[in-house]
Amino acid sequence: DAKTTQPNSMESNEEEPVHLPCNHSTISGTDYIHWYRQLPSQGPEYVIHGLTSNVNNRMASLAIAEDRKSSTLILHRATLRDAAVYYCILRGDNAGNMLTFGGGTRLMVKP
Amino acid sequence: ETGVTQSPTHLIKTRGQQVTLRCSSQSGHNTVSWYQQALGQGPQFIFQYYREEENGRGNFPPRFSGLQFPNYSSELNVNALELDDSALYLCASSQVPQGGTDTQYFGPGTRLTVL
Repeated sequence: DAKTTQPNSMESNEEEPVHLPCNHSTISGTDYIHWYRQLPSQGPEYVIHGLTSNVNNRMASLAIAEDRKSSTLILHRATLRDAAVYYCILRGDNAGNMLTFGGGTRLMVKP
Repeated sequence: ETGVTQSPTHLIKTRGQQVTLRCSSQSGHNTVSWYQQALGQGPQFIFQYYREEENGRGNFPPRFSGLQFPNYSSELNVNALELDDSALYLCASSQVPQGGTDTQYFGPGTRLTVL
């Protein structure tokens, strides 16, 4: 699987939007972009995924660059419960069921 | 809908011992994957089971082995424990392996400490 690069940590104020970036310059045409997050003392939790078009769900939005070499996870209004490590993961169709986690971005939310 | 459950929550073993960790998949899921997460790092893929057969393996030695049962519950066995095996062990279930688009549902993990 192609590699992703994320900032180690980010800070946000409560009730403000948060933009979490991910670079994946070696992404292939069939790689899906997945985001998972891991809250303290819990297992990872699926957030969202996309291929080429921007995606929205009840948790977040995913904005994918036109060249697909980068993407941004958008939390529209951060809450204290959103404090977690966010992982950006690429998954190809032949990746089986394996998730390759990097270091992720630790998001801290200030009240 | 019952989520993924794991047992035990915590476990302490000594070097050289053997350990068995258990996982119950989410209802309707027939694929289970196991991950090891060392402190401060992202989870690392150990292996996956689909229809009771190993269906992919990460860079882990043979002393890490697993089983999947007909009811899709699963076990992770680790023999000859080493200090570096101390970690959070995560189980994740999903429907049939779908590569790029599938979603994995994780349990809360088992914290293993090897002394």
